[in-house]
Order: sequence, then C-alpha cells, then structure tokens
Amino acid sequence: AQSVTQPDIHITVSEGASLELRCNYSYGATPYLFWYVQSPGQGLQLLLKYFSGDTLVQGIKGFEAEFKRSQSSFNLRKPSVHWSDAAEYFCAVGPYNQGGKLIFGQGTELSVKP
Amino acid sequence: KAGVTQTPRYLIKTRGQQVTLSCSPISGHRSVSWYQQTPGQGLQFLFEYFSETQRNKGNFPGRFSGRQFSNSRSEMNVSTLELGDSALYLCASSTPTGRLNTGELFFGEGSRLTVL
Repeated sequence: AQSVTQPDIHITVSEGASLELRCNYSYGATPYLFWYVQSPGQGLQLLLKYFSGDTLVQGIKGFEAEFKRSQSSFNLRKPSVHWSDAAEYFCAVGPYNQGGKLIFGQGTELSVKP
Repeated sequence: KAGVTQTPRYLIKTRGQQVTLSCSPISGHRSVSWYQQTPGQGLQFLFEYFSETQRNKGNFPGRFSGRQFSNSRSEMNVSTLELGDSALYLCASSTPTGRLNTGELFFGEGSRLTVL
C-alpha cells in the first residue's frame, strides 16, 4: 500500500540549532515527493519538491531535502532554525499521473526554544 | 495574484444537516483538489476536479460530493452530517500540464466545520 511515515510526531529544537525531519515512503512507482508547512490556522505552503534529477533539492526559507531511493526516504533539513519556523511539517508523495491526489504523512510538529 | 479563497472560513452545523463549501482557485489554475484534515486521520484526499470533471476520488462515502464550474470554482457538499465530519476542509489548486499534474498544490486557508 502507498504510504508516508513521519516517525516524529513532535520535535523541539533550540533556535539556531540544526534540524532534520524524517520522512519515509512506500510507493510502487517513481514518486513525486513534497514537503509542506502549515502554521496554526493556515493552509499548507509548499517548501520544496522532488521530481527527478539531483537528489538534493533546495526550497524556500532555507530548507533542503535529500531523496534517497535506497532508503525510501526524503528527509527535510535546515542548518539553523529560526523561531518563525515553529509549525507543522508534512511530507507527501504523489503519483506521476494522478493529479492532485497526494498522500500525506501524519505531520511533525516543530517547536523552537529561544 | 490572489491565492486560493475558501468560504466560509468557519461554520457550525448539527447532525443530519448538509453543508456546502466553496473554493475559488488561483486565476488560471484549472485543477481543484479537496482534502479533509482531522487530528486523528490527518490529511486525506477527497476528490479532484479538472475542467468540470471529477478526475480522482478518495475513499469517502457518497455523502461527500463536489463539482466544478466553468470558471474553475469548485464546491463540495456533505449531506447528512455526522459528528465525525468535523474537520478542516482544505481546497488546493494547481496547474496541470495536459493530463499530468506536477502535484504542486496551492492551498487555501480552509473551512473549519464543526458538527454538533
């Protein structure tokens, strides 16, 4: 079955520290991979996406993610976290030809300590 | 340009009633997808419309329906509301390339439905 797993429900990091959010997927074909962020009371905003090519992708707000096919992972990283990064982060996988039908992970809530 | 607009933002209904939610996509976007977000089930795909046709459907009962108009605006309807339908309903638009859709969804802020 197609699925996305985000093992960490909640993570707390200190401001200025590095961050890595984990994402593992199970998918039968070549996936499109995404990371979205959701602030309280808001919709989701796309941080970055991977379709093909370079396995290290850069996104907005200083985030990057690395696609590792052998590990079925697409972890999100940021070298130095800012207090404004506190939000919920969702990893998602989508099929090549099924439009807007994305499968989302359960999300990881990020708290940032001053 | 304006983002995805969803109305109403908040609404309260009672069991057995029906509700209609509206979504105006980003100008030029022809694909509209709907998602249900709950604390227990997370984000779940409801359906997607493209050029007034339902292109994909998730695993929801027939009480959940939708449609898309010629101007790409979309509505979803939930009939015979149940307590479990309380959720944030998110609409997202995107720009497909022919039959393909890169999956880059632009989300609205959602309509929060409370069923009492």
